[in-house]
Amino acid sequence: QQQVKQSPQSLIVQKGGISIINCAYENTAFDYFPWYQQFPGKGPALLIAIRPDVSEKKEGRFTISFNKSAKQFSLHIMDSQPGDSATYFCAASIGGTSYGKLTFGQGTILTVHP
Amino acid sequence: NAGVTQTPKFRVLKTGQSMTLLCAQDMNHEYMYWYRQDPGMGLRLIHYSVGEGTTAKGEVPDGYNVSRLKKQNFLLGLESAAPSQTSVYFCASRGGTGPGYTFGSGTRLTVV
Repeated sequence: QQQVKQSPQSLIVQKGGISIINCAYENTAFDYFPWYQQFPGKGPALLIAIRPDVSEKKEGRFTISFNKSAKQFSLHIMDSQPGDSATYFCAASIGGTSYGKLTFGQGTILTVHP
Repeated sequence: NAGVTQTPKFRVLKTGQSMTLLCAQDMNHEYMYWYRQDPGMGLRLIHYSVGEGTTAKGEVPDGYNVSRLKKQNFLLGLESAAPSQTSVYFCASRGGTGPGYTFGSGTRLTVV
């Protein structure tokens, strides 16, 4: 049972372009939506996160857009750089007694060509 | 400031063998988690712990056991390894005040 669906599986972008990765969720109790970045041979690292009370959050070149009614959220990477080439995971969790257990999407392999 | 340390980094097991993966964190975090990562499936939660002496099942617990005898350590055991357990295993920890995880660098396990 995949509660968070992520697309596309892979994405190729030219340097300077915009990378967009989308996620959709089913459980309306989710109240925390992070994105993780993973380089080969490393563990995932928190990139940016949003809560459902805002529709957008921006940190540098990375922006999360959140659509609560559609139960969708997306990651936008502006001015994509070769150093952004990595696997990206969206995730979701419920606060309170769920102990912060994260449910992850399937991952997107991003390749940025120079 | 090591964060989350996983040992070993690589291991090859024969079917039916047992092993223990060790996760150690030095951030005094209450919560610890074991995930497995498989291509096209993201990370799936195996077991987790909300404090010393506690453990609970996650999404895919079958074939695994865990223990958290000390707050800083979370052990994942495979009693009788199967090829389906070939995966990359990640440990993560989280403090009580913030939702962000700190992940280890992973253990790549191959069961032949």
